[in-house]
Amino acid sequence: DGGITQSPKYLFRKEGQNVTLSCEQNLNHDAMYWYRQDPGQGLRLIYYSQIVNDFQKGDIAEGYSVSREKKESFPLTVTSAQKNPTAFYLCATAGIRQGDSNQPQHFGDGTRLSIL
Amino acid sequence: AQSVSQHNHHVILSEAASLELGCNYSYGGTVNLFWYVQYPGQHLQLLLKYFSGDPLVKGIKGFEAEFIKSKFSFNLRKPSVQWSDTAEYFCAVLDTGGGNKLTFGTGTQLKVEL
Repeated sequence: DGGITQSPKYLFRKEGQNVTLSCEQNLNHDAMYWYRQDPGQGLRLIYYSQIVNDFQKGDIAEGYSVSREKKESFPLTVTSAQKNPTAFYLCATAGIRQGDSNQPQHFGDGTRLSIL
Repeated sequence: AQSVSQHNHHVILSEAASLELGCNYSYGGTVNLFWYVQYPGQHLQLLLKYFSGDPLVKGIKGFEAEFIKSKFSFNLRKPSVQWSDTAEYFCAVLDTGGGNKLTFGTGTQLKVEL
């Protein structure tokens, strides 16, 4: 979606290094999500946030960290503790209206992370 | 936890052939279901969604899906595929635990040959 910007498009990580993936949105959506996509495994949820200064672990949070200091931004840090970080990372957003929690998620173009 | 199964991992069709991609989910209560498509080099896009009402849902680009509660299925169909339908297709179910979280299937890679 044009309203979700992920950067960089490609990222290379050295052993023992932390790297941060950026996700910015101008859709005024409350909720933001980080997924990891691996061939044959679909998308798996890493972290999500429904409101500023609050976030929850998804299914595969180990080795990752996030922050949500602004509504527009939800950066993901891949730490050195993540032993298999090579993957395609997708950021998504969704509006959450009171009484209506099933708004479809919108996705960014993704960041492909590789190990040097 | 909910789960989603997509049984066809790779499908190859000729243009004009009919398409049906299987999707089964595990939860027996009220479900919200989605099909997303990822064209080569592009972001995930919503094809269609089912929340309630008519179990036959029509989406973009001629796709449709039928929600069959008794079979826990939400199969995606298209009567006549085109080369431009080559993409990866993901079925997803909305998590009932809140947070508007999605659980995705493993995806089906569709290749349409001329």
